[in-house]
Amino acid sequence: AQTVTQSQPEMSVQEAETVTLSCTYDTSESDYYLFWYKQPPSRQMILVIRQEAYKQQNATENRFSVNFQKAAKSFSLKISDSQLGDAAMYFCAYQAREYGNKLVFGAGTILRVKS
Amino acid sequence: GAGVSQSPSNKVTEKGKDVELRCDPISGHTALYWYRQSLGQGLEFLIYFQGNSAPDKSGLPSDRFSAERTGGSVSTLTIQRTQQEDSAVYLCASSVPPGNQPQHFGDGTRLSIL
Repeated sequence: AQTVTQSQPEMSVQEAETVTLSCTYDTSESDYYLFWYKQPPSRQMILVIRQEAYKQQNATENRFSVNFQKAAKSFSLKISDSQLGDAAMYFCAYQAREYGNKLVFGAGTILRVKS
Repeated sequence: GAGVSQSPSNKVTEKGKDVELRCDPISGHTALYWYRQSLGQGLEFLIYFQGNSAPDKSGLPSDRFSAERTGGSVSTLTIQRTQQEDSAVYLCASSVPPGNQPQHFGDGTRLSIL
């Protein structure tokens, strides 16, 4: 079964500093996708970044970047120059065509940003 | 609207009652997913629609849960004889084909069973 593990229930970062959120996953598939979603208190799930497993290059979106280690099945999110608006719950998620493209989520990491 | 719309936003009901939750996906999105998020937990998959058919219902927790989709658009998730453990936020997401495109989520329905 596919599982996604986020080992950090909560993280804190000082405004303007950098923070890294960890995610590991377990799969026997070779073709899959990985995502980071942000969920602020408004409840809406917002896509932060997406990585295709067949691409070796790490995805980046402005201040957000990932460190994708396929052999280690690791997919961490780095947030640079943290802003107060980054405070939210962050979910790592896995998706594979073999399993109907449903998303399998980790338990989430609460990120607090200190001013 | 431009996004996925869910209604109601909040629903409070008594144990044993039936509830219907509605999802209106983004126009043109043929794939539709329902997820459940219990308090402080991650999201768990419930059911997936491609058009009006549901090729994957594996996440529905019991036969009290059912869902349908008509016209390839609006979907309704029905919970019969609600129990307190059904209390959660129910989120709907939609995507364009192929299925590995990013899923766009609605704001969810917070269901509270008294």
